[in-house]
Amino acid sequence: QQQVKQSPQSLIVQKGGISIINCAYENTAFDYFPWYQQFPGKGPALLIAIRPDVSEKKEGRFTISFNKSAKQFSLHIMDSQPGDSATYFCAASKGSSNTGKLIFGQGTTLQVKP
Amino acid sequence: EAQVTQNPRYLITVTGKKLTVTCSQNMNHEYMSWYRQDPGLGLRQIYYSMNVEVTDKGDVPEGYKVSRKEKRNFPLILESPSPNQTSLYFCASSLIRPGVYGYTFGSGTRLTVV
Repeated sequence: QQQVKQSPQSLIVQKGGISIINCAYENTAFDYFPWYQQFPGKGPALLIAIRPDVSEKKEGRFTISFNKSAKQFSLHIMDSQPGDSATYFCAASKGSSNTGKLIFGQGTTLQVKP
Repeated sequence: EAQVTQNPRYLITVTGKKLTVTCSQNMNHEYMSWYRQDPGLGLRQIYYSMNVEVTDKGDVPEGYKVSRKEKRNFPLILESPSPNQTSLYFCASSLIRPGVYGYTFGSGTRLTVV
């Protein structure tokens, strides 16, 4: 019940296209859903996050869509650029819990071709 | 600059030779954590600390030790490394709880045990 399942494992998109990465969770107590972006040789960095009181959050070309009933959330990268090539991790947590532990998905390696 | 600093960045060692990976943060964060990253498995938590002298096991603690004697430092100790501990390790910190405030990650330590 603590798992977060992420797909696809890898993704190749043409420049200007839309990249979509999906995550599914089981624990209905989760209330914080961030996405992290990791470039080669670097640690993950917080990209965008959503809480379940909204169905969508947009920051520039990055959008999180959240479906509470389906227990799924996804990251959409509009007008994908070669500079977006990175590994993306979704995560989930019960923020109000004593530990506030983040559970990460398996990661998606995105390659945007020029 | 606010950051999490890990050392060393790369380490090759032999089975059974004790080693320590250091981690230091300059943001006065209470919460610190160690993760390992393996292909297809994402980021898995090894140990975490909610404050000085308070540490607890994550999902994969076997073969690892930690200590939190000072707020800024959280070293990871491998008493008798084995080849299955070959991995990419990340230290991360959060203001209070990562499920509320997210993580700041270090740049990683790539460990090879032969």
